Amino acid sequence: AQKVTQAQTEISVVEKEDVTLDCVYETRDTTYYLFWYKQPPSGELVFLIRRNSFDEQNEISGRYSWNFQKSTSSFNFTITASQVVDSAVYFCALGGEDNFNKFYFGSGTKLNVKP
Amino acid sequence: DAGVIQSPRHEVTEMGQEVTLRCKPISGHDYLFWYRQTMMRGLELLIYFNNNVPIDDSGMPEDRFSAKMPNASFSTLKIQPSEPRDSAVYFCASRPTGSTDTQYFGPGTRLTVL
Repeated sequence: AQKVTQAQTEISVVEKEDVTLDCVYETRDTTYYLFWYKQPPSGELVFLIRRNSFDEQNEISGRYSWNFQKSTSSFNFTITASQVVDSAVYFCALGGEDNFNKFYFGSGTKLNVKP
Repeated sequence: DAGVIQSPRHEVTEMGQEVTLRCKPISGHDYLFWYRQTMMRGLELLIYFNNNVPIDDSGMPEDRFSAKMPNASFSTLKIQPSEPRDSAVYFCASRPTGSTDTQYFGPGTRLTVL
């Protein structure tokens, strides 16, 4: 079964704090893809990153970084020096080899960054 | 480049009325997806098309829902008759064949059925 768990329902931080959003996935597939999307208050879903199961290198993009660990089935997302504009709901998603088009989304983590 | 375009952005209707949601995918994208987002169920895939052909509609909740893609640049999701429990945000997404599986989402249509 394919499943994504985002145990943190809501996180509140003060601007400039670092914050890590957790994502744990379940799959029996050997090939799969993991994604993070951001949903700001305006409501659209913005693609942030895609990672395939064969690439465990961590990735950094500006203040954003992602830590992919197959051993713990986790794909965590860290925002360094958070800003108010980072306030949003963040979704982790899994696409498995049974059907790469069928994404399994986590329930999302709402991040509140206070000034 | 223009992203996925959805219309209307907001729709308020009364129970029993027909509702039609529209989507224009990113040019050149062969796959088109319809999702529904609710507080209770999160993001659910309803149906997806490849080259205008419906591939998997197993997520369509019931016969009141139908989706069409008459050409590569246009798709509709229709609810007839609508019910209050259909109230949700409906997203359309598209992706190209091949190099990436990343789906790019439109801004969504917020549907309220009274």
